[in-house]
Amino acid sequence: QKEVEQDPGPLSVPEGAIVSLNCTYSNSAFQYFMWYRQYSRKGPELLMYTYSSGNKEDGRFTAQVDKSSKYISLFIRDSQPSDSATYLCAMTGNTGKLIFGQGTTLQVKP
Amino acid sequence: SAVISQKPSRDICQRGTSLTIQCQVDSQVTMMFWYRQQPGQSLTLIATANQGSEATYESGFVIDKFPISRPNLTFSTLTVSNMSPEDSSIYLCSVDKGAPNTEAFFGQGTRLTVV
Repeated sequence: QKEVEQDPGPLSVPEGAIVSLNCTYSNSAFQYFMWYRQYSRKGPELLMYTYSSGNKEDGRFTAQVDKSSKYISLFIRDSQPSDSATYLCAMTGNTGKLIFGQGTTLQVKP
Repeated sequence: SAVISQKPSRDICQRGTSLTIQCQVDSQVTMMFWYRQQPGQSLTLIATANQGSEATYESGFVIDKFPISRPNLTFSTLTVSNMSPEDSSIYLCSVDKGAPNTEAFFGQGTRLTVV
C-alpha cells in the first residue's frame, strides 16, 4: 500500500464548476500537508500548505485536512480553463521528507 | 520564494552515456533535493544534497548511478550515469525555504530521453 493515495483522474469539469481533489494517507506522523500545481512541461508550483487539521483559504482555493480520517482535500471554486493542470498532494512529518501523491489531472472546459 | 534554474531543460541521450544536470538557486539554501518523475508517476526523491557533505540517497538509488555534487549553497549537479532507456524521466531539483520542508520550490525540470 502506498503511503499517499491520489486518484490520477483525469477529471474534466465545465468552467465555473467547483472542483474537489482528494488524497488519503496512512502515516499518522504526517503533520504538514501541501498541494502543488504542475502545468505540462513545468516543475510543480506550491499552491497551499497547511499544518495539522483544519481549513485554509486563499482566493478560489481552499485546503482541508482531516487528520482523524487521514484525508485531505483541495477545493477550487469558479474553476477556470487556466486551472487545467496536474494537482499533486504532498505531505511530511518531522523527517522533512516529502511524500507525493500520484497527481490528479484536471481539465476545465470553456 | 526561490527562483531555481535548471539546465538542460531537455536532452536526448544514447544509452551507456552520462548526463549532468545543473541546478542554480537565487539564494543560499541549506538543503537541495533531487527528484525523479517517471511518465504518469509521482515524484520520487532520489537524494538530499547538503553543502560540505556527501549526499544522502533514498532506497533504490545509489551514488554510482546518480553522483551528486554540492560545491556551495546555491548550486548542485546530478549526474545520471551509464544511462539506459529506463532512466527516461523528468529530473527535478528542489529547495526548501521552510521547516521542515514545508515550502519546497522546484525547478522546471530536465526531460531526459534515453535511446
